[in-house]
Amino acid sequence: DQQVKQNSPSLSVQEGRISILNCDYTNSMFDYFLWYKKYPAEGPTFLISISSIKDKNEDGRFTVFLNKSAKHLSLHIVPSQPGDSAVYFCAACEIGNEKLTFGTGTRLTIIP
Amino acid sequence: DTGVSQDPRHKITKRGQNVTFRCDPISEHNRLYWYRQTLGQGPEFLTYFQNEAQLEKSRLLSDRFSAERPKGSFSTLEIQRTEQGDSAMYLCASSLEWANYGYTFGSGTRLTVV
Repeated sequence: DQQVKQNSPSLSVQEGRISILNCDYTNSMFDYFLWYKKYPAEGPTFLISISSIKDKNEDGRFTVFLNKSAKHLSLHIVPSQPGDSAVYFCAACEIGNEKLTFGTGTRLTIIP
Repeated sequence: DTGVSQDPRHKITKRGQNVTFRCDPISEHNRLYWYRQTLGQGPEFLTYFQNEAQLEKSRLLSDRFSAERPKGSFSTLEIQRTEQGDSAMYLCASSLEWANYGYTFGSGTRLTVV
């Protein structure tokens, strides 16, 4: 039962353009969402998060959008840079619950 | 502060052997988590400690798995009688508060059972 889904295993984007990574969830109890970035041979690194009381959160080049009615969130990276090439994981939890449920990841490749 | 450290980075073991992994969290973090990641999947929650107390365990953590955090500092994850299905990356993470600021993950221990 995959409660957090990232349906695109991979994405290629030209340097300087916008990268949009998508994530869907099925558990309506989830009310906090996070994005992690992972380079090979390293652990995931926290990028940005959003609470269900918001529909947008921005941090520099990264913006996360949340559509609660559609149970969908997306991560926008603009402009995309070569160092953004990595695997991106979407994760979700219930506020106050220590357990994160991760998606399967999307491999982003930025083409110079 | 060097972040979350995991040892060893790689472990190859024969089926049926016992293995133990160690995690040293960031020193002021009182929460410590173990996750497992298999190929093509995202990390899956195994267990969580607040200080020395193990507060939650996943059903993925069979009787062959045991985790400890004896003094609320480092933690160990032991797998007894390893099986080929145990081959995975074992990730440790720590945090000062619950996950809203994101955990800090270590680089993981890659276990291969042959």
